[in-house]
Amino acid sequence: AQSVTQLGSHVSVSEGALVLLRCNYSSSVPPYLFWYVQYPNQGLQLLLKYTSAATLVKGINGFEAEFKKSETSFHLTKPSAHMSDAAEYFCAVSALTGTASKLTFGTGTRLQVTL
Amino acid sequence: NAGVTQTPKFQVLKTGQSMTLQCAQDMNHEYMSWYRQDPGMGLRLIHYSVGAGITDQGEVPNGYNVSRSTTEDFPLRLLSAAPSQTSVYFCASSYLAGARETQYFGPGTRLLVL
Repeated sequence: AQSVTQLGSHVSVSEGALVLLRCNYSSSVPPYLFWYVQYPNQGLQLLLKYTSAATLVKGINGFEAEFKKSETSFHLTKPSAHMSDAAEYFCAVSALTGTASKLTFGTGTRLQVTL
Repeated sequence: NAGVTQTPKFQVLKTGQSMTLQCAQDMNHEYMSWYRQDPGMGLRLIHYSVGAGITDQGEVPNGYNVSRSTTEDFPLRLLSAAPSQTSVYFCASSYLAGARETQYFGPGTRLLVL
């Protein structure tokens, strides 16, 4: 079984401030981890993913995440927030079960960026 | 490439009506899936398919049917709509069914059941 916990359903930061969105996972098999972003009234778009190659993963739009097995975490960061980063962010864990993988999502964190 | 397309964008149904949500992809992806998104619950897997003719249930399959007669299309059928099925539905696809594969999402169908 696998699960994802995203701490904080809403996060507000000032433009130019550090963005930190938290994600902890639980998985009975080695996990693959994803961060997706959803802009209003749109589908989900991949930001980055961890597939066991490197623990620090760089994604689009200046975001990165670090896989920490000892802490079962995969927090998303960005050094300097832009207004355009306002969106909902989903952490997800994927594991192969039977014939196919299943992607299990967290409940999401809505990021607000203020002037 | 159009990617993953979904129709309709928005639909209102009355309780007990049936309808089909359409999903198509033009990327020759083997794996396709349907999710529903509800406030505070993230996305939950309804059904998925690892190839034409092969489908399986996800986390919340009750009240929904799927079939996969072609690689490109993966329609989701609501047999008898209930207010609890009011949600936003997303179709997704990936090249293979492996755990490291990126899933590509459609724009969603917003469904309201009265």
